[in-house]
Amino acid sequence: GQQVMQIPQYQHVQEGEDFTTYCNSSTTLSNIQWYKQRPGGHPVFLIQLVKSGEVKKQKRLTFQFGEAKKNSSLHITATQTTDVGTYFCAGQGIYNQGGKLIFGQGTELSVKP
Amino acid sequence: DTGVSQDPRHKITKRGQNVTFRCDPISEHNRLYWYRQTLGQGPEFLTYFQNEAQLEKSRLLSDRFSAERPKGSFSTLEIQRTEQGDSAMYLCASSNKLRVGNEQFFGPGTRLTVL
Repeated sequence: GQQVMQIPQYQHVQEGEDFTTYCNSSTTLSNIQWYKQRPGGHPVFLIQLVKSGEVKKQKRLTFQFGEAKKNSSLHITATQTTDVGTYFCAGQGIYNQGGKLIFGQGTELSVKP
Repeated sequence: DTGVSQDPRHKITKRGQNVTFRCDPISEHNRLYWYRQTLGQGPEFLTYFQNEAQLEKSRLLSDRFSAERPKGSFSTLEIQRTEQGDSAMYLCASSNKLRVGNEQFFGPGTRLTVL
């Protein structure tokens, strides 16, 4: 079945440093979504990427979708303590019309002030 | 509060007991999903409904698990004869099929501990 792998599992950075997490799917995706989960919280939607090679920015966050629609990345510039949490990518398969998401294992980001 | 709500937030039960969780989605959302999340892992898909119809169920889902959404609004997830391996956070999410983006809105989850 479809699998989504995400690396690294953990990332510890000094405040102000950059952060990147990578996501790879075993199959071609219809779209990929990114979620953030704060400690003790629930996943919160950040963004959806649909087109091959798409790049979207949200302030200090840059999201990319690969040309083959099988990989994606999230880059945070100049991290802040408010960025702490676990970032998940979640893919929707091209044959899945129901919106079922397959989540990666997540990258837990800690930021040292 | 117009978000997704779940009840109870925490449940402690003994092995072999049955438990039932409830999810109230955002009112205009016609799709409702159940996921399970264990420590250090991403949410794992269990099942989903479009209105009252259960359209997909994970092959990993034991027959001890059953979910309903009788009137296309709230949903219940029942686990029969609980096992220690069922201990996890059970997350409910909803989305609107007609809304571009298919973003899913998650509830706070029900944390199940099976002793």
